[in-house]
Amino acid sequence: AQTVTQSQPEMSVQEAETVTLSCTYDTSESDYYLFWYKQPPSRQMILVIRQEAYKQQNATENRFSVNFQKAAKSFSLKISDSQLGDAAMYFCAYRSAASKLTFGTGTRLQVTL
Amino acid sequence: GAGVSQSPSNKVTEKGKDVELRCDPISGHTALYWYRQSLGQGLEFLIYFQGNSAPDKSGLPSDRFSAERTGGSVSTLTIQRTQQEDSAVYLCASSTTSGSYGNTIYFGEGSWLTVV
Repeated sequence: AQTVTQSQPEMSVQEAETVTLSCTYDTSESDYYLFWYKQPPSRQMILVIRQEAYKQQNATENRFSVNFQKAAKSFSLKISDSQLGDAAMYFCAYRSAASKLTFGTGTRLQVTL
Repeated sequence: GAGVSQSPSNKVTEKGKDVELRCDPISGHTALYWYRQSLGQGLEFLIYFQGNSAPDKSGLPSDRFSAERTGGSVSTLTIQRTQQEDSAVYLCASSTTSGSYGNTIYFGEGSWLTVV
């Protein structure tokens, strides 16, 4: 079974600085998607960014980018120019044709002034 | 509707009572998922509906949990004889189809269940 591991329960970043959230996963499949979801206090999960395993180019969405290392099974999220509104729980997730969307345990990001 | 709608948003129930949680997915979405999120934890898959196919119930933790989806739209998650360990946020999500597993899955705001 696929597993997703987030080893940082909490992270803190100053406003306007850059922070990187880590995620590793375990799979024997070659074709899959990886996702980062954000969960603010409202509880609603919001998709931040996604990466297809077959694409070598790292995905980027405005201030959010990923560092996808397929061989190492690593998928980190970089948030640049952090804003107060970025404070939330961030979940890394994995999905493939054979598996449901599987989440890590999350990283709580605090943004300080 | 504009998004995935869940009700109630908060529910406090006594141990041993039955509860029903409702999910109204985004119009046209054929795939519907239920997840459970315990305090400070990740999301645990419960059940998945795709069109008229038999649902994937592999994540239901016990036979006290059941779910149905009527007319391919609204879904109800039922927990019978609730226990304190059932206290969690129950999240519903929907997507256009399971054929492309890269599709965006849209989540509701969840139903926070507290069993006292």
